[in-house]
Amino acid sequence: DIQMTQSPSSLSASVGDRVTITCRASQSISTSLNWYQVKPGKAPKLLIFAASSLESGAPSRFSGGGSGTDFTLTISSLQPGDFATYYCQQSYRTFSFGGGTKVEI
Amino acid sequence: QVQLQESGPGLVKPSQTLSLTCNVSGGSISSATYYWNWIRQPAGKELEWIGRIHISGNSNNNPSLRSRLTMSADTSKNQFSLKLTSVTAADTAVYYCAREASWGGFPSFDYWGQGIQVTVSS
Repeated sequence: DIQMTQSPSSLSASVGDRVTITCRASQSISTSLNWYQVKPGKAPKLLIFAASSLESGAPSRFSGGGSGTDFTLTISSLQPGDFATYYCQQSYRTFSFGGGTKVEI
Repeated sequence: QVQLQESGPGLVKPSQTLSLTCNVSGGSISSATYYWNWIRQPAGKELEWIGRIHISGNSNNNPSLRSRLTMSADTSKNQFSLKLTSVTAADTAVYYCAREASWGGFPSFDYWGQGIQVTVSS
């Protein structure tokens, strides 16, 4: 099994802040890495696929990077609607998710 | 706009079978382009992939659930289903259905349902 580890597990930030979340895979997964935004009671949203490709409809303030085992999700200027929990997910060998990063005020 | 909606009982007794259905609108599950997935999240824990099904009949699932899991698809109703037998409290979770797309060989879940809370309790 491929284990995904996210850090931090939570962070406090303000509107306008630049926020970076990291995700590490237990083995190399090339760029088979996706990022999702999850809010309570709402359908999760795909933000980034293939490590750095912005999903259609996702705001351009979201960006992803990395390859191999280390990946990042960056929000360039945090907006009020961005307070949520973010998950990375590998699709290299079946699927597994990171533990999540809760972004709060 | 593709929409997915989970339905099923919110409470299941231990040792019984959990049955959920995902209704798809705005797109056809008969499309060979996509897989249709189930994912769950116990309270306070991470998301766990359960399994997926393709209209061809091909399916894959999480080895930890394989012996208890059955998935099926009904093209006439444009929905797919999950059955999980012999449930315990550890199966209590929010269950999501999701569409899997693959661009350039990189799969991702591009549409999700809102999720349904299922509690296993007597």
